[in-house]
Amino acid sequence: RKEVEQDPGPFNVPEGATVAFNCTYSNSASQSFFWYRQDCRKEPKLLMSVYSSGNEDGRFTAQLNRASQYISLLIRDSKLSDSATYLCVVNSQAGTALIFGKGTTLSVSS
Amino acid sequence: EPEVTQTPSHQVTQMGQEVILRCVPISNHLYFYWYRQILGQKVEFLVSFYNNEISEKSEIFDDQFSVERPDGSNFTLKIRSTKLEDSAMYFCASSEVPGEPNVLTFGAGSRLTVL
Repeated sequence: RKEVEQDPGPFNVPEGATVAFNCTYSNSASQSFFWYRQDCRKEPKLLMSVYSSGNEDGRFTAQLNRASQYISLLIRDSKLSDSATYLCVVNSQAGTALIFGKGTTLSVSS
Repeated sequence: EPEVTQTPSHQVTQMGQEVILRCVPISNHLYFYWYRQILGQKVEFLVSFYNNEISEKSEIFDDQFSVERPDGSNFTLKIRSTKLEDSAMYFCASSEVPGEPNVLTFGAGSRLTVL
């Protein structure tokens, strides 16, 4: 089983749509969870950390289900600028590194 | 906003040559990382570095790779004898401490092309 698995997409949605991304991870001992965003040929940038109780940052909501080893990201009211690849990230077995999923590509059109 | 800087932005080299990629992490950060991303593939962990030694490394980080912090500001990745398959974007990252959560800040990357 891959360490972090994501649906690669692409997700093609119109402006204003709500879109959800899912991610599963294999290391049941993982303690740190994140969503990063990567624009084409750019570095990954932190979108938000994911907390056990779930958390929201504006139009973005992240959820964590430790029992199912599942993480989600919900984007409401999609903007053109949300077009990017969204990376699900968890800490490594040893804990010092972050392991990335392959990413889910989102394309928002007008 | 503090940033991680990397040089060069792009390097072209011949197979078998040595390459050194340089990074200046954020000044108050204590953990340093190298990742790579082959075109069209995922971001892959190579190595983490703390207190002047490797904390963790992946299977990719074999004897051809080494890291060093030669002074108080630079963090380097050396590839001793490059292969075609080393062509990738190499990202340096740093974090304050690997606490909860361990937030990494990435540099813009160094694109390595091996011919």
